[in-house]
Amino acid sequence: KAGVTQTPRYLIKTRGQQVTLSCSPISGHRSVSWYQQTPGQGLQFLFEYFSETQRNKGNFPGRFSGRQFSNSRSEMNVSTLELGDSALYLCASSFRDLGTEAFFGQGTRLTVV
Amino acid sequence: GESVGLHLPTLSVQEGDNSIINCAYSNSASDYFIWYKQESGKGPQFIIDIRSNMDKRQGQRVTVLLNKTVKHLSLQIAATQPGDSAVYFCAENPGDFQKLVFGTGTRLLVSP
Repeated sequence: KAGVTQTPRYLIKTRGQQVTLSCSPISGHRSVSWYQQTPGQGLQFLFEYFSETQRNKGNFPGRFSGRQFSNSRSEMNVSTLELGDSALYLCASSFRDLGTEAFFGQGTRLTVV
Repeated sequence: GESVGLHLPTLSVQEGDNSIINCAYSNSASDYFIWYKQESGKGPQFIIDIRSNMDKRQGQRVTVLLNKTVKHLSLQIAATQPGDSAVYFCAENPGDFQKLVFGTGTRLLVSP
């Protein structure tokens, strides 16, 4: 069974631009969560989607948004990029909507210059 | 607020030793916990999980212990191997659907 796939793996953007990251969950998984990982803040929860509905959102500004499609694939968007948005963005998928194993993708390394 | 902390940022062991990585959590309502291993350049890899109705769970060479009284979690790795070198994170599910709150991580260094 294929794992969680995130694209692209690496991205370099300029301040003020916007970016869209993609995540394809494990087949059959309906929950997709996004996390930001930085050396200073560690792994922080961004948001979670289940059956195309955002179930939960972390403490991030409105520049961070996401969506989920009917095939469970998810995208996250960051608008008006700031230098501090440079991070590893990780996607995790789960079979159910509460308290089950979450499996992560390799992440997208975003660098904002 | 929610926080999951680790006592030791770096743990150095010899190959063949048993390793113990500790984690403290703050939300007494959390009922599900996961340990992850993250190697350089990769996403976190699921190791083992435990629910709050259990005190101990064993996997292949790994054991997770949960002490709800003091809100403490530990990961024991038996016969540690160089391939176990990585950063280990504990994560707590505070009941917000699939949201996980992660600890700061412990770097495990295994010397041959």
